[in-house]
Amino acid sequence: DQQVKQNSPSLSVQEGRISILNCDYTNSMFDYFLWYKKYPAEGPTFLISISSIKDKNEDGRFTVFLNKSAKHLSLHIVPSQPGDSAVYFCAATPNAGGTSYGKLTFGQGTILTVHP
Amino acid sequence: GAVVSQHPSWVICKSGTSVKIECRSLDFQATTMFWYRQFPKQSLMLMATSNEGSKATYEQGVEKDKFLINHASLTLSTLTVTSAHPEDSSFYICSARTTGTRNSPLHFGNGTRLTVT
Repeated sequence: DQQVKQNSPSLSVQEGRISILNCDYTNSMFDYFLWYKKYPAEGPTFLISISSIKDKNEDGRFTVFLNKSAKHLSLHIVPSQPGDSAVYFCAATPNAGGTSYGKLTFGQGTILTVHP
Repeated sequence: GAVVSQHPSWVICKSGTSVKIECRSLDFQATTMFWYRQFPKQSLMLMATSNEGSKATYEQGVEKDKFLINHASLTLSTLTVTSAHPEDSSFYICSARTTGTRNSPLHFGNGTRLTVT
């Protein structure tokens, strides 16, 4: 049972345009969500996170939106740059800050390609 | 910033042998570390939670006698794949959280590519 789903395996955008990566979840106990960027043969690098008490969090070119009622979150990258090309994983965890934090459930990942 | 170091970055071993992977938190103390596994073109899957000074807790379906975890200090956790078989070939990644920090992001190591021949 895939509790965190990224239904788009890949996304291709032009440099300077917006990249929108989507993620859906099914477990109502998730209350903290994270986005990670990953290159092949490397560990994930943290990008941005959002708590369930918020619906938006922004950090530079990266903005994460959370729609709790729809159990949906998205990552917006604007403007997109060729260096953003990587695999992006969304992840979720229940009980943020508690003992369960760190037990992340990951989506399948979306390969983002930004063309110059 | 916080750094998690994982060693080795890749290892090839023969079937039936054991392999040890180290995960170190370099500039912070980690009471809890997590071990993930990623098969090709699949997502990262949590294998176990490593707790300093106590037994690890394993996720359903993960054999604790096969994947031995030791967290002997606040900066080091080890994962030993015992009697490795080709189906254990995977990308193993550790992560760590700092102590007493709410909502701090997990820091991941760079992973270990294990190939069992």
